[in-house]
Amino acid sequence: GQNIDQPTEMTATEGAIVQINCTYQTSGFNGLFWYQQHAGEAPTFLSYNVLDGLEEKGRFSSFLSRSKGYSYLLLKELQMKDSASYLCAVRDQQAGTALIFGKGTTLSVSS
Amino acid sequence: GAVVSQHPSWVICKSGTSVKIECRSLDFQATTMFWYRQFPKQSLMLMATSNEGSKATYEQGVEKDKFLINHASLTLSTLTVTSAHPEDSSFYICSARVGGGVRSPYTGELFFGEGSRLTVL
Repeated sequence: GQNIDQPTEMTATEGAIVQINCTYQTSGFNGLFWYQQHAGEAPTFLSYNVLDGLEEKGRFSSFLSRSKGYSYLLLKELQMKDSASYLCAVRDQQAGTALIFGKGTTLSVSS
Repeated sequence: GAVVSQHPSWVICKSGTSVKIECRSLDFQATTMFWYRQFPKQSLMLMATSNEGSKATYEQGVEKDKFLINHASLTLSTLTVTSAHPEDSSFYICSARVGGGVRSPYTGELFFGEGSRLTVL
């Protein structure tokens, strides 16, 4: 089976940097994804890691350590529009090509 | 990115009736689509994997006779909630994965439809 943990809520201010952590346990790791979801909307893809290290994409970066079962999403220069839920998801070989999601971290950005 | 369209966005129905939700991949073929359900302030829970031309694979605890899935073509999967009850009220989201290949820019991420919010009275 799979187990994915991430903090429930985080708060930050505009312009700041925030790191959202995710730990996972899977029997057949095959990639980790981060999605952003605004209330009432479908998730949108942010990043993908399958090898150890940091992937940078503009203001967003994602890090993966497979040996530790750990990832984080780093958001820089926070903007109000970044207030959303951030979902960590893993692809487990036993689950086929479906993604298994964590419960999500609700980020609130204030001015 | 790839486009997945879902219809209807909102549906309200009476208890005991059936509701069909459509999921279409607009600019790619999807041999596999996934149906998720999301309750308020909860994460996405995988319900089933829809396979074109064959039976869907349901996750443990999901009633296959209640949630009928049909994947008749490479671009369309449907989820029918039969004999709906108020506890079936939820946000249903479909997703699909673009196939791989040397020309594919995608890394295997899922693309999601807009979601269908079902309210059963």
